[in-house]
Amino acid sequence: NAGVTQTPKFQVLKTGQSMTLQCAQDMNHNSMYWYRQDPGMGLRLIYYSASEGTTDKGEVPNGYNVSRLNKREFSLRLESAAPSQTSVYFCASGTETLNTEAFFGQGTRLTVV
Amino acid sequence: GIQVEQSPPDLILQEGANSTLRCNFSDSVNNLQWFHQNPWGQLINLFYIPSGTKQNGRLSATTVATERYSLLYISSSQTTDSGVYFCAVQVNAGNMLTFGGGTRLMVKP
Repeated sequence: NAGVTQTPKFQVLKTGQSMTLQCAQDMNHNSMYWYRQDPGMGLRLIYYSASEGTTDKGEVPNGYNVSRLNKREFSLRLESAAPSQTSVYFCASGTETLNTEAFFGQGTRLTVV
Repeated sequence: GIQVEQSPPDLILQEGANSTLRCNFSDSVNNLQWFHQNPWGQLINLFYIPSGTKQNGRLSATTVATERYSLLYISSSQTTDSGVYFCAVQVNAGNMLTFGGGTRLMVKP
């Protein structure tokens, strides 16, 4: 099983450029998440989607937009990239309830120059 | 929001040694997970343990929800155990995981 798949794995952007990070899961999970991890730190939640058709802001949503395209796919968009968005981005999925075990993708390393 | 604190922040072990990592959290939680982030950055699920004790090979974990802490035990450590160990919790009011700052473990041969 593939689990949670993220693309691309690496990306370099110039300040002001836009891009979309893709995430897909094949575990039939209802909830999906986007986190960022800055050097030497834990993960912080950007946005999450509790179910298809719903999205909610997390701890650090500014500068990002998301789309829950269908049950499998949850994308993260940077409309105008800034150097402060240089980070490693992780997508995760989990079951729908409060007691959810989350599973993570392999991450996307994004550098904004 | 909930605070999650992990200790120690850094740990160096000789291969074969045992260790205990601690996770304290500031509020009641519905869920607690331990992850290992390997040197390649991949997050690997270790335990889903909102309460009680679980064991998986050389690793075991205990969560005492009423006292708001969890412990991860690593026995007979190996160099492949190196990396960062994260505790993450989920509170009653939402369905997002909040991560601690991690414990960076280095196991020397």
